Amino acid sequence: GAGVSQSPRYKVAKRGQDVALRCDPISGHVSLFWYQQALGQGPEFLTYFQNEAQLDKSGLPSDRFFAERPEGSVSTLKIQRTQQEDSAVYLCASSYGLLSYEQYFGPGTRLTVT
Amino acid sequence: AQTVTQSQPEMSVQEAETVTLSCTYDTSESDYYLFWYKQPPSRQMILVIRQEAYKQQNATENRFSVNFQKAAKSFSLKISDSQLGDAAMYFCAYRSASSGAGSYQLTFGKGTKLSVIP
Repeated sequence: GAGVSQSPRYKVAKRGQDVALRCDPISGHVSLFWYQQALGQGPEFLTYFQNEAQLDKSGLPSDRFFAERPEGSVSTLKIQRTQQEDSAVYLCASSYGLLSYEQYFGPGTRLTVT
Repeated sequence: AQTVTQSQPEMSVQEAETVTLSCTYDTSESDYYLFWYKQPPSRQMILVIRQEAYKQQNATENRFSVNFQKAAKSFSLKISDSQLGDAAMYFCAYRSASSGAGSYQLTFGKGTKLSVIP
């Protein structure tokens, strides 16, 4: 079966623009996580969903970041008024459930803000 | 809050030799999970091995094994018979075993870049 997919793979935005990053989890996976990976760093947690419910958004760095998963499947991470410090790889991961051991990661979206 | 530290930014190993990557962590919890993830240059992160804190026996997956020292809060990864395909970034990660907010996400170290020399 297909793994986690993310689109676009690369995104260049001018400072101040809004961007939307998409994640398609593995079919049947109810839990979905977003991580931000700055250059040369490990991924850092942003938010997670159980089905359509966003249960934890404590990692979102500012109110410019917004995530949704309206039908409990595809998720979108939106960043408003992008800043240079938002440049990073955004990783999406899914799992069967919150208690599942393994999170399956997508290839990420590399966002560059100029 | 939990922290994960990987003190080796880069490591190298000769093909067919053995290498050990280090990881230490800090937590006040007694039950948790530890993971090693591999991130090749294509960026897709894949799970290499996991360890449940309540298990005393060290986990093994083919050429990959861990040395889990709970009291020392140490979790190293040993790669035996290294292959060219093992070259990647390796991340150590922690996850709480408790339920509730803050328990389900992974906390990662900064990673170790492993090079394999032919």
